[in-house]
This record gives sequence, structure tokens and C-alpha cells, in this order.
Amino acid sequence: SQQGEEDPQALSIQEGENATMNCSYKTSINNLQWYRQNSGRGLVHLILIRSNEREKHSGRLRVTLDTSKKSSSLLITASRAADTASYFCATDHMNRDDKIIFGKGTRLHILP
Amino acid sequence: SAVISQKPSRDICQRGTSLTIQCQVDSQVTMMFWYRQQPGQSLTLIATANQGSEATYESGFVIDKFPISRPNLTFSTLTVSNMSPEDSSIYLCSVADRNPSIQYFGAGTRLSVL
Repeated sequence: SQQGEEDPQALSIQEGENATMNCSYKTSINNLQWYRQNSGRGLVHLILIRSNEREKHSGRLRVTLDTSKKSSSLLITASRAADTASYFCATDHMNRDDKIIFGKGTRLHILP
Repeated sequence: SAVISQKPSRDICQRGTSLTIQCQVDSQVTMMFWYRQQPGQSLTLIATANQGSEATYESGFVIDKFPISRPNLTFSTLTVSNMSPEDSSIYLCSVADRNPSIQYFGAGTRLSVL
């Protein structure tokens, strides 16, 4: 399966702390994206990083990509209660660029 | 970004019946996708809805079980046919313009089959 694997599966941290989630994948990619899903809702696209990029920032989000290790990380700084959600990485692969494949997700819970 | 309306938001259905889920977009889009998400799990792509032609199904999903229509560039339906309790899941519609990497999702349909 080309599906990505996130770790940890679940993460609980105190509000204000930083949260780091990791994603690994198996085959070469064009892009990697991170999505957020609030409970009972659809997914929201957060950030895309291309295979020739190593790091990208968007507000409190920082994404890194290491294509040699086939892995990515998502860092959320200064977490807030509203960041409580599931986070999924998704990849589009060079042999199937007409779709993206979602990882298993990390459930993040921000404690007040 | 696109705004997607998905109906119904939830339903409880009897075994053996069928349910049709609608996905309406506020603008014309190139690509429309249907996913299934079982509780606490990731998303699995069911099919890509193609305008004016048959949908492209992923391995493990067949047209007889999940017929899909896409009559135009703003609307699609997914039918879950002859339902069984194993079909209980969240079904999500998403759209993309030319780049499938960036998709916009509907709120999903939470289906329970008794």
C-alpha cells in the first residue's frame, strides 16, 4: 500500500505547547499535503509542500519534508484549544498523479 | 476555494435499501471525488466522478454497489446500494480544479445501517 503512516496516532498536549506530528510514505511523490479534520466535519487543506522543497511555513504551521527518508513533519506552535482535531498527511505519487492518498492520521487533543 | 454542500448530513437506513448522497459545488470544477471514512480511520478513495462518462473506481469498489453520476461540472451523486451494516461509515465528497493535491471537502454524510 502507498498509504502514509502518521505518528503518533494520538497526541495530547497542554495549550501553549508545540505539537509535532510525523508522516512517512513509501514511494516517490510530487507533493505532500497536510489536512485538518475537526470532529464530524470534512477536511480542510492546510499546507502543500513540493518534493523539491525542504521546509514551508504558514502562520503557526511549519512543515518539513525529507525525501531521502520519505518523511514529513507538521509542527503547530503555541497550540490552542481550537487546534484539537485530526491531522492527515496526503501524498500524490509520481505513478498516480490523478489522486492523493491519505495517511492514517494523528488525533491531536489540546488540554486547557 | 470552493464551497461544497453535501446532503444528507446523516441518515439511518435499513439493511437492503439504498441511499443517494448529493454533492453540489458553488463553481465549476474539473475533478470530483468520493471517499469513505470509517470511524476513527483514514479516508479511502471510492472513485473519481467524471463529467459525462463513467466514474473511475478504485480497487475494491464496483459500480453496482456504488453507482455515481456526474451530469455537469457542479454536481455529483453517490448511491450506496443494497446496504449492509458494513457500509456504516462517513461518505465524503471532495473537489479539485486542475491539481488533485488541493481538495475541498464537503462536511460528509454519516451513514448508519441497521
